[in-house]
Amino acid sequence: RKEVEQDPGPFNVPEGATVAFNCTYSNSASQSFFWYRQDCRKEPKLLMSVYSSGNEDGRFTAQLNRASQYISLLIRDSKLSDSATYLCVALPGATNKLIFGTGTLLAVQP
Amino acid sequence: NAGVTQTPKFQVLKTGQSMTLQCAQDMNHNSMYWYRQDPGMGLRLIYYSASEGTTDKGEVPNGYNVSRLNKREFSLRLESAAPSQTSVYFCASIVDKSYEQYFGPGTRLTVT
Repeated sequence: RKEVEQDPGPFNVPEGATVAFNCTYSNSASQSFFWYRQDCRKEPKLLMSVYSSGNEDGRFTAQLNRASQYISLLIRDSKLSDSATYLCVALPGATNKLIFGTGTLLAVQP
Repeated sequence: NAGVTQTPKFQVLKTGQSMTLQCAQDMNHNSMYWYRQDPGMGLRLIYYSASEGTTDKGEVPNGYNVSRLNKREFSLRLESAAPSQTSVYFCASIVDKSYEQYFGPGTRLTVT
């Protein structure tokens, strides 16, 4: 079983739609979680950290469910510019080696 | 403030050739990382350095060596390139305590 698992997609959604991605992690000792965005042929860029209480940044909301060991990313009012691969990341406790999921591809259609 | 920089951006090698990928960060981060990214495999950690003077193996270290030259620079060396090392290589550094990671623009390496 992979340490961090994501549905690879693609998720094809129309502009203005709401879309949600889930990601599961296997190490219950994981302390920190993140969502990164990666555009085609570019480096990953931090989208947001995920806090235990959940957090929101504009149209993006991230949530953590420790009991079920998953994190989620909700994107409201999707824009064409949201088209990218979204990477889920977990940091196991007592280490600074981040574990990346393989990514979920989002394609927002006009 | 350039963040994380990598050179070269592109490279083509023949099997058996050697090369060094350079990485530097100007954010005063202690920890630096080298990843490779292949289609369908996601980012895999090759080596990392928690601080100047220390290095540790990641998930896929075979065929690679690293040098943490100083706090700013972390290089990755391929001693004898193989076609299986064709990949995109990313260097990254991490913010202490928050663990937010910042990546360089990548090096696209092809080994023929």
